[in-house]
Amino acid sequence: EAGVAQSPRYKIIEKRQSVAFWCNPISGHATLYWYQQILGQGPKLLIQFQNNGVVDDSQLPKDRFSAERLKGVDSTLKIQPAKLEDSAVYLCASSLDLGPYGYTFGSGTRLTVV
Amino acid sequence: GNSVTQMEGPVTLSEEAFLTINCTYTATGYPSLFWYVQYPGEGLQLLLKATKADDKGSNKGFEATYRKETTSFHLEKGSVQVSDSAVYFCALSDGSTGGFKTIFGAGTRLFVKA
Repeated sequence: EAGVAQSPRYKIIEKRQSVAFWCNPISGHATLYWYQQILGQGPKLLIQFQNNGVVDDSQLPKDRFSAERLKGVDSTLKIQPAKLEDSAVYLCASSLDLGPYGYTFGSGTRLTVV
Repeated sequence: GNSVTQMEGPVTLSEEAFLTINCTYTATGYPSLFWYVQYPGEGLQLLLKATKADDKGSNKGFEATYRKETTSFHLEKGSVQVSDSAVYFCALSDGSTGGFKTIFGAGTRLFVKA
């Protein structure tokens, strides 16, 4: 089966610019997650979707970050305006449903803010 | 709140040595426990999981046992190979608050020398 697709693979922007990341989960996976992984740290959950509804966005910096999953399939994460501390790898993951299923991760988007 | 603590790296071993990476957790409910592996430039891959106390997860020669009494889920492998060099993340998923979001440890980098 096809894995979780993410694009772009790399992005370099200047601070205060905007950027968007795209994710297409495994077909049939109801739950989609966006994680932020800063160099040398474990992934930190930003937002969790169940179909096209938000389950948890408690750690999403809503003044600058937004995400949507309009049709319950692919998803977009946006940052506007970007700060230097947003430099990280943004990982998208999906799972079959809510439950102890384990996740399938995409390869991530490495964002560098200069 | 829930948390995962794993031993700091890097861990450097010679090929065919025995591997242990320690992981302990704190959880309010009855979590499922996971080990993920991240190879350079890639996203995380699910390595193994255990969903209840005394369960043993295993895959590719790696194994970990869910110890409720010591709140631990240590990763072991009897004979490591150079290809096992990667970063290993311990994680827990707890459905008691709804959502089954996964919390990751900081990761332990493993280097295996030929």
